[in-house]
Parts: sequence; structure tokens; C-alpha cells
Amino acid sequence: GENVEQHPSTLSVQEGDSAVIKCTYSDSASNYFPWYKQELGKRPQLIIDIRSNVGEKKDQRIAVTLNKTAKHFSLHITETQPEDSAVYFCAASPRGVNFGNEKLTFGTGTRLTIIP
Amino acid sequence: ETGVTQSPTHLIKTRGQQVTLRCSSQSGHNTVSWYQQALGQGPQFIFQYYREEENGRGNFPPRFSGLQFPNYSSELNVNALELDDSALYLCASSAGLAGGDNEQFFGPGTRLTVL
Repeated sequence: GENVEQHPSTLSVQEGDSAVIKCTYSDSASNYFPWYKQELGKRPQLIIDIRSNVGEKKDQRIAVTLNKTAKHFSLHITETQPEDSAVYFCAASPRGVNFGNEKLTFGTGTRLTIIP
Repeated sequence: ETGVTQSPTHLIKTRGQQVTLRCSSQSGHNTVSWYQQALGQGPQFIFQYYREEENGRGNFPPRFSGLQFPNYSSELNVNALELDDSALYLCASSAGLAGGDNEQFFGPGTRLTVL
């Protein structure tokens, strides 16, 4: 089955600086790669996702890059703000029967702390 | 705020007991996936229900079973509870459509403690 590794496990950056979180996956059949943000005691929330036909996707301060050959993908957050502090999870999945039917394998999470 | 709800919020059981957790999917969603999140870990896929049928299962023993109802709400049942079953149980619903992007919306979770 799929195995997703995520690094680093903790990351502290100064407010305004950039943060980068990296994930690798093992199953070449995976083609859906979402990133979730989970604040303490709350549910995971999707912040950005990418499918294998796209190498990069950006949404305001957040971007995800995908390298299918190397089987890795990364989350980039620019101009970090205190509200970006949370645990971030990457995930990977092969295509589902339909979109939304993916079975996600999650990484172990990165605790991001933004230092004011 | 998403429309996925779960009940109960918290639950305490003892080893060997059975538990049923419930999930109401967001309106219009036909797919429910269940995940187990141990403390400090990422969610682990348990199984998925699509239009009332099991549509894939993760590496969990048969004492983890589920059900999806005609209104697409779902139950997760765990028999013969073990201490290691203590975790946050998350369900996620999605539209499961043939086209377009469909994210999985997570519920708030049920915190299960097994003593």
C-alpha cells in the first residue's frame, strides 16, 4: 500500500518568512495530493490540493509543487502570519471511482509555529 | 463551517466493550470515509462507503465494521475494544461525482477513550 513520509515534524519560522513542508510517497498510482491544516482540537481542513496532471498550484500565499518522477510534493507558505500556526498534514491517494472517492494516506504531520 | 456532524463528541468505554459512532454527511454527498487519528499522528484510513456499499478498506481488523444508510449517513462499529483503539475517529463526506474536484469535508470527530 501507499506510504507517505513528511518532514520536518516541527518547524518554527519568523512571522513574514516562508515555510516549506515536504512529503514523499511510494505508490506510483497515486495522483491526488491534498494538504490539510488542523488547529488544536479542530477538524482537518483542506487548504490546497493538486492532481498529477499539474506540477504546481497556487492560492494566494499557499502553493503546492509536485514532482511525480521523484515522488515528492511540497507545501510552500509565504509571508507567514500567526494564524498559520497549526499542524499540517500531507496526503496521497490513487484516483477514486469518482472524484471525492479517494482513500487518503496521510503523513505524520508538521507542527508549524509562527514566531511574532 | 461544513455540514458534517458526528456523535457523540466524547465516549469512554472499557476493554472488550462495543461502540457505535455516527456520522451525518453533508447534504448532497454520497460518500463517507472513516479515519482513526491517534494522538500526535495523521489520520489513518479505515474504510469508505459509497452509495451504501463498502468501497475500500484500510489495514484494520474485521472488528471494525460500518454501515451507510439510504440518506448517506454512516455508522462505525468497533467490537471487542482494545486500549489501542483510543483515538479521535473522524468521518469525511464528499460528493463522489464523475467530474470536477470534490474535497472530503471532515466532521469534528468523536474522541474515544478505552480504559
